[in-house]
Amino acid sequence: QKEVEQDPGPLSVPEGAIVSLNCTYSNSAFQYFMWYRQYSRKGPELLMYTYSSGNKEDGRFTAQVDKSSKYISLFIRDSQPSDSATYLCAMQDTGFQKLVFGTGTRLLVSP
Amino acid sequence: GAGVSQSPSNKVTEKGKDVELRCDPISGHTALYWYRQSLGQGLEFLIYFQGNSAPDKSGLPSDRFSAERTGGSVSTLTIQRTQQEDSAVYLCASSSRQGRYEQYFGPGTRLTVT
Repeated sequence: QKEVEQDPGPLSVPEGAIVSLNCTYSNSAFQYFMWYRQYSRKGPELLMYTYSSGNKEDGRFTAQVDKSSKYISLFIRDSQPSDSATYLCAMQDTGFQKLVFGTGTRLLVSP
Repeated sequence: GAGVSQSPSNKVTEKGKDVELRCDPISGHTALYWYRQSLGQGLEFLIYFQGNSAPDKSGLPSDRFSAERTGGSVSTLTIQRTQQEDSAVYLCASSSRQGRYEQYFGPGTRLTVT
């Protein structure tokens, strides 16, 4: 079993929809939780990060972490065609420098 | 400012040949990471450099893989005697010491071993 599980999709939604992307994990030592966006043939771009449990909002994006359930989410409001990309969750233990990534969810937002 | 740059952007090589991949981190970033992204596998950690400390090589898949970082800046990832399973996108990232969880990625080098 992988440390971080993420549904690969694709997830297809119409423009304006609310999108929910999720990851589950098994390592209770993870303290930092990140979401990256990756366009085709580009490097991942950091969207948001959260320390420990709780919510964080940035514009149309909201990240949630529930450490008791080992479950993290990224919500995208008023989705746009330009949001079409692969979204990768990543996690880090405070004792280690490497990020552990999910496999990514491909999102398609149609006009 | 300039982001992380990597070269070449694409590399096609024959099985058994050696390849070198280069990474230029963001100026002032002391930490540098290499990851590998294979189709359907997500990003896999390879190696981490922090300042003058000994690198964390725990993710290197075999002794055919090595990396060095000269002068605390540019890094080179070398793959010797390439195999077809080495085909992947090799991504470099850097971060400041304070924001190590905020890793900024380059565009990657797409390696194809024929």
